[in-house]
Amino acid sequence: DAGVTQSPTHLIKTRGQQVTLRCSPKSGHDTVSWYQQALGQGPQFIFQYYEEEERQRGNFPDRFSGHQFPNYSSELNVNALLLGDSALYLCASSFEGTDNYGYTFGSGTRLTVV
Amino acid sequence: GQNIDQPTEMTATEGAIVQINCTYQTSGFNGLFWYQQHAGEAPTFLSYNVLDGLEEKGRFSSFLSRSKGYSYLLLKELQMKDSASYLCAAYSGAGSYQLTFGKGTKLSVIP
Repeated sequence: DAGVTQSPTHLIKTRGQQVTLRCSPKSGHDTVSWYQQALGQGPQFIFQYYEEEERQRGNFPDRFSGHQFPNYSSELNVNALLLGDSALYLCASSFEGTDNYGYTFGSGTRLTVV
Repeated sequence: GQNIDQPTEMTATEGAIVQINCTYQTSGFNGLFWYQQHAGEAPTFLSYNVLDGLEEKGRFSSFLSRSKGYSYLLLKELQMKDSASYLCAAYSGAGSYQLTFGKGTKLSVIP
């Protein structure tokens, strides 16, 4: 049973560019959350998607946007990249109604902005 | 606001016991998670405490005191493979879906 799959694993982008990160949730999960983890820091909540809608957002600018597809997979888009966006981006999936108890994290996408 | 504090680094000897503390101040609180994260890997779930007290799972135990805003993770019979970062995270519940993480404690197990 595949867990949470994220792609790509590593990415290098130039300041000002745009990037799209992808996440396939664990089988049976219908909710996807995205977190940003800077080096030496804990993960910071970006947003959560359920039923193809963003239902909660953390303290991130509008440059960060997302989407959830009918098959529950999700994308995270970041526009106008800044050096400070360099981080590990984690996707976590869960099944609605489990009160986040069943969060499963992917291994993340390491984004480097130069 | 949300504030989660845990030590940045700890070192312990193989076979020993180590306790990693976490204090939290959150506007709402439902429970406290502990995750283990090896370098370059996904965080993996260790425990979720909702009620006060100690919960034991094999070599790992987790404790919660809601009145004190305090939790700890206890690792017994340390093994080299336990070298990792340990993240505590508060869950507010009540319509909030996010976890608020501490910065993580990097544990080094030495022979």
